[in-house]
Amino acid sequence: GAVVSQHPSRVICKSGTSVKIECRSLDFQATTMFWYRQFPKKSLMLMATSNEGSKATYEQGVEKDKFLINHASLTLSTLTVTSAHPEDSSFYICSARDGRSGANVLTFGAGSRLTVL
Amino acid sequence: GESVGLHLPTLSVQEGDNSIINCAYSNSASDYFIWYKQESGKGPQFIIDIRSNMDKRQGQRVTVLLNKTVKHLSLQIAATQPGDSAVYFCAENIEGNQFYFGTGTSLTVIP
Repeated sequence: GAVVSQHPSRVICKSGTSVKIECRSLDFQATTMFWYRQFPKKSLMLMATSNEGSKATYEQGVEKDKFLINHASLTLSTLTVTSAHPEDSSFYICSARDGRSGANVLTFGAGSRLTVL
Repeated sequence: GESVGLHLPTLSVQEGDNSIINCAYSNSASDYFIWYKQESGKGPQFIIDIRSNMDKRQGQRVTVLLNKTVKHLSLQIAATQPGDSAVYFCAENIEGNQFYFGTGTSLTVIP
């Protein structure tokens, strides 16, 4: 089955620094990947849709200059949290759709827990 | 298991009993739905899906029911096991684009 790898799984950084999270589709190509954010005991909130070779589409209320998304290849999307602050601490999860079988199922990475001190 | 307020709804069941987890979705144009299971500290895992032209779909120990009239989705787990303890989310999809997730329900199975 489709596998999505996310790295790092856990990161702690100082306030004001930038953090990059990678999302890779290991055995399939993904022209579109999705980035979600999840607070403790809450649901997944779609942040943006990452499109290979073009600009990401951000959901309303998500700062595009704060959360930089790059989808440079068919197997890699990155989310960079710029000038991170404690309120950016969260669980970030990426997902991709494996369209090989014609199915519309999203496969998720294991998530990246960001803690900003 | 209805989503009310800001807190994650919880459901506790005895091992061996059946579980029913509910989800109210928001967009009547949604044409595809998925139930995901999320264990603590992990990403969501696919359980079962259903298209809007169906009202019921069965998998192994799980059944999803869709009521488009009231925009309601349910997940039934038969003979619930301790390994089923997790948070369950429904996700709605519109025209093959983004997926939006419901509030989620935390299921605890009591041995």
